[in-house]
Amino acid sequence: KNEVEQSPQNLTAQEGEFITINCSYSVGISALHWLQQHPGGGIVSLFMLSSGKKKHGRLIATINIQEKHSSLHITASHPRDSAVYICAVIHGGSQGNLIFGKGTKLSVKP
Amino acid sequence: DAGITQSPRHKVTETGTPVTLRCHQTENHRYMYWYRQDPGHGLRLIHYSYGVKDTDKGEVSDGYSVSRSKTEDFLLTLESATSSQTSVYFCAISPGNNYGYTFGSGTRLTVV
Repeated sequence: KNEVEQSPQNLTAQEGEFITINCSYSVGISALHWLQQHPGGGIVSLFMLSSGKKKHGRLIATINIQEKHSSLHITASHPRDSAVYICAVIHGGSQGNLIFGKGTKLSVKP
Repeated sequence: DAGITQSPRHKVTETGTPVTLRCHQTENHRYMYWYRQDPGHGLRLIHYSYGVKDTDKGEVSDGYSVSRSKTEDFLLTLESATSSQTSVYFCAISPGNNYGYTFGSGTRLTVV
């Protein structure tokens, strides 16, 4: 069983829709990251969470430590949001080594 | 200045040849990581470094070695490349636990 599971694997949305991507993990963590990988391949860090909620522009990330679950929300989605979104956790005491989910491929249609 | 650069960006090599990938940082971060990304898998850790000459193995370290002789450079070597090592390789840096990560642009390696 993967230690970090994301759902859905693939997601197609119409421009303007509200999008939610989910991440569940099975290990104790010190922090959780949401990353974005564009078709060109580069990986960008969006958020790092250890509790609660963070917001940056149209992106919102939440985490529930007790339930071992995090969500990434995109409000008013736009075609430029099309990318692979990756959840990754830092396993507690692991020297910062990330454990990655397999990613959610998002396609936003105009 | 990107803060982290990987070289080369693309490489095609023959089975059995040695290959070295370079990760260079200008951020003076303590931690450096090498990951590989393959279809159907999340990124997987190959090796990491927590200081000059301090390295350790990750989940998929077989067939790979690393060296870090100075803070800014972390080299990944495939001693004798195999087709199963065809992948996209990413380097990442971090100042430490509970800090953010910065990823390189990736190296696409094809072993024929």
